[in-house]
Amino acid sequence: ETGVTQSPTHLIKTRGQQVTLRCSSQSGHNTVSWYQQALGQGPQFIFQYYREEENGRGNFPPRFSGLQFPNYSSELNVNALELDDSALYLCASSLGLMDEQYFGPGTRLTVT
Amino acid sequence: GQQLNQSPQSMFIQEGEDVSMNCTSSSIFNTWLWYKQEPGEGPVLLIALYKAGELTSNGRLTAQFGITRKDSFLNISASIPSDVGIYFCAGQDNAGNMLTFGGGTRLMVKP
Repeated sequence: ETGVTQSPTHLIKTRGQQVTLRCSSQSGHNTVSWYQQALGQGPQFIFQYYREEENGRGNFPPRFSGLQFPNYSSELNVNALELDDSALYLCASSLGLMDEQYFGPGTRLTVT
Repeated sequence: GQQLNQSPQSMFIQEGEDVSMNCTSSSIFNTWLWYKQEPGEGPVLLIALYKAGELTSNGRLTAQFGITRKDSFLNISASIPSDVGIYFCAGQDNAGNMLTFGGGTRLMVKP
């Protein structure tokens, strides 16, 4: 059974650019959540997708958007990148809404 | 918004010692979870707790869901060097959509 995978592992972008991060959920999981983890802090909830619909959003501006596909994989898009967007972006999948969330290895985004 | 206070922020202990860390919240959670994160990796789920008062073990790890549903603790017995990492508590409310994380406890073990 394959766990949660994310791509790319690292990337560097310039302020003002746009970025797309990808996540493949664990087999059989229909729920994907995205988190931002700044250096030295705990992860912060961005949003969650359940069966291709957004199901809850944290305190992040609209330039953070997402998608979930029929195979339950997901994308996180960030427009108009700011320096403070530099962080580890984590994707977590779960069997259903109330089940334990299992995390991928993350994508390290650096904005210069 | 909800806040989780996790303590201590860091611990430097001798191999073989027992470790205890805890998490408190201003709000009630339906589920408490404990994760461990190592450098360059995502958090790995250690223990999940679903009922107030529940005490659950996973090998040398033991965690409890507080009676008030506003706190939880994690104990590690007989620590070993591979226990090194950052331990996070996380609470999940009845909406189920988000985890609220504590600030983490950085554990260092001296062989």
